[in-house]
Amino acid sequence: EVQLVESGGGLVKPGGSLRLSCAASGFTFSSYSMNWVRQAPGKGLEWVSSISSSSSYIYYADSVKGRFTISRDNAKNSLYLQMNSLRAEDTAVYYCARDQGSVLPWGWFDPWGQGTLVTVSS
Amino acid sequence: DIVMTQSPDSLAVSLGERATINCKSSQSVLYSSNNKNYLAWYQQKPGQPPKLLIYWASTRESGVPDRFSGSGSGTDFTLTISSLQAEDVAVYYCQQYYSTPLFTFGPGTKVDIK
Repeated sequence: EVQLVESGGGLVKPGGSLRLSCAASGFTFSSYSMNWVRQAPGKGLEWVSSISSSSSYIYYADSVKGRFTISRDNAKNSLYLQMNSLRAEDTAVYYCARDQGSVLPWGWFDPWGQGTLVTVSS
Repeated sequence: DIVMTQSPDSLAVSLGERATINCKSSQSVLYSSNNKNYLAWYQQKPGQPPKLLIYWASTRESGVPDRFSGSGSGTDFTLTISSLQAEDVAVYYCQQYYSTPLFTFGPGTKVDIK
């Protein structure tokens, strides 16, 4: 079964840092681009960042550029999101999701993990 | 960036009746070289992650009931639920993947039972 499981969320103060992880199983992780998508409480979906299968290509939404860093470890079938200088507006459920691309991120997102909640508050 | 809009924001439909959700992109997501529309639809039930329903604007994902259908081309798209079931209560999102990796989603349409 194809599965993505996020972890690492929690409560953090403004200006703080947090590292999210996403463990993949049931497919050849190293063959796919991966993404982080977030959803603020009661709001819609916002794409955050993408990374190609070999980490050669990395992209960020303007809202997180310079503060968040996406990475992956294909040997560990894991995706990461290092979040620094966190703000209240970063409060959201963070999902990892596989897209259809390999060399470059591309296509629809499937599957999605269950998500991990990040709360930025003093 | 391509901006996605959806209408209506919410709708309530009687069980067994048709539900229609519209999605509009600020520029065409039709790729002329392959004549494919780079648009997907997702369903999100409360407390759950989004689930892929349709890609290429009209291709149903495996296992998705055939009461769900997608149509449209260029900038205007529609998701239709032909006969609403109780389990279809959810928020539905469209997403363009034309301007990857700058993926963008619509704001969502909430579907309830009347």
